Amino acid sequence: AQSVTQPDIHITVSEGASLELRCNYSYGATPYLFWYVQSPGQGLQLLLKYFSGDTLVQGIKGFEAEFKRSQSSFNLRKPSVHWSDAAEYFCAVGQLNYGGSQGNLIFGKGTKLSVKP
Amino acid sequence: NAGVTQTPKFQVLKTGQSMTLQCAQDMNHEYMSWYRQDPGMGLRLIHYSVGAGITDQGEVPNGYNVSRSTTEDFPLRLLSAAPSQTSVYFCASSWDRKNTEAFFGQGTRLTVV
Repeated sequence: AQSVTQPDIHITVSEGASLELRCNYSYGATPYLFWYVQSPGQGLQLLLKYFSGDTLVQGIKGFEAEFKRSQSSFNLRKPSVHWSDAAEYFCAVGQLNYGGSQGNLIFGKGTKLSVKP
Repeated sequence: NAGVTQTPKFQVLKTGQSMTLQCAQDMNHEYMSWYRQDPGMGLRLIHYSVGAGITDQGEVPNGYNVSRSTTEDFPLRLLSAAPSQTSVYFCASSWDRKNTEAFFGQGTRLTVV
């Protein structure tokens, strides 16, 4: 069965430091991969996505992620974290059901990011 | 542009009560989904729809019903609420089946006592 693992439940970084959030997936075919961010009390907002092509994808708010098929990973990075980046981050893989009529998202359990001043 | 609108934002129910969580989108998206979010569990798919009149079950469908009579609306019904259904519920919509960009509502926080 398809699955997404985010090994880190909670990460704290200092403002201005670099950030890497880890994501590993299990999926038989070429995956569609996403990173979403959720601010407290809010819904989810798409940061970036990978479908095919260049394995380094750029997203909003200065985030990027790299797809590594050999490692089944899709880690999220940011070179310099801002206090406003404090939120919960979810990695997701998109799968198509049998017959391809619908794609559903399978989410990891999330990584909560705290930012120290 | 409202996007995906969920009502209510908060709700407290007694065990055994029924209620409907509303979800509406104004983007003419064919694909809509309901997820529940529980601490440490991420988001899990409850039901989804690929268009008006077509719905299917997701990972955790028990205790929930859905219908899709229009493109815009996708209500989620709890027939007999149980404490295990205490959760935050998110509705999402997408223009395509790959969820190229899924738009999420702000959620409904439901407590069943």
